[in-house]
Amino acid sequence: QVQLVQSGAEVKKPGASVKVSCKASGYTFTGYYMHWVRQAPGQGLEWMGRINPNSGGTNYAQKFQGRVTMTRDTSISTAYMELSRLRSDDTAVYYCARDGGIKSGWYLEWGQGTLVTVSS
Amino acid sequence: DIQMTQSPSSLSASVGDRVTITCQASQDISNYLNWYQQKPGKAPKLLIYDASNLETGVPSRFSGSGSGTDFTFTISSLQPEDIATYYCQQYDNLPTFGQGTRLEIK
Repeated sequence: QVQLVQSGAEVKKPGASVKVSCKASGYTFTGYYMHWVRQAPGQGLEWMGRINPNSGGTNYAQKFQGRVTMTRDTSISTAYMELSRLRSDDTAVYYCARDGGIKSGWYLEWGQGTLVTVSS
Repeated sequence: DIQMTQSPSSLSASVGDRVTITCQASQDISNYLNWYQQKPGKAPKLLIYDASNLETGVPSRFSGSGSGTDFTFTISSLQPEDIATYYCQQYDNLPTFGQGTRLEIK
């Protein structure tokens, strides 16, 4: 069965960077885009960007351009999301989510979420 | 970016009621619209994909309709376990979510 297992909770100071991992299993890692979605406390879902694990190509939401970097390591079926210059309003749960394939942009599979707390 | 306007932001209904949530896209997105249910502390769960297709295992009281810019999500007979927040999501272009609808039992 498909599983996405994320790294553990992080506490960071303002201005620092955080890197969250998402290890995939149960399917061909390079066959499906991996997306990152975040949710601030008590707020809605916010799409951050996606990576094509096959090519490494990325697309980012305009809001995060210049601060987010998505990468992958195909040898260990793991995707990464790094967010830099952290601010207090970056405190959120960060999810990875796999889409359904070509022209199938829904998220059936989600990681368990990683809480990132930004506090001085 | 395509903006998704979801309404209402919150809703209170009784068990057995018919519940409707709407989502409007800022431009034509064909049928590239999905609906999710999220319960506190959990990842979202896919209910409806491509506007009207029920995901496997999802109860038939959930349904979706629409195309172009206007979409509707319906629970035909509200059950206590349906208390959650619901989100629409488009993927015609870079994905975006609606603001969410918090559903409560009256």
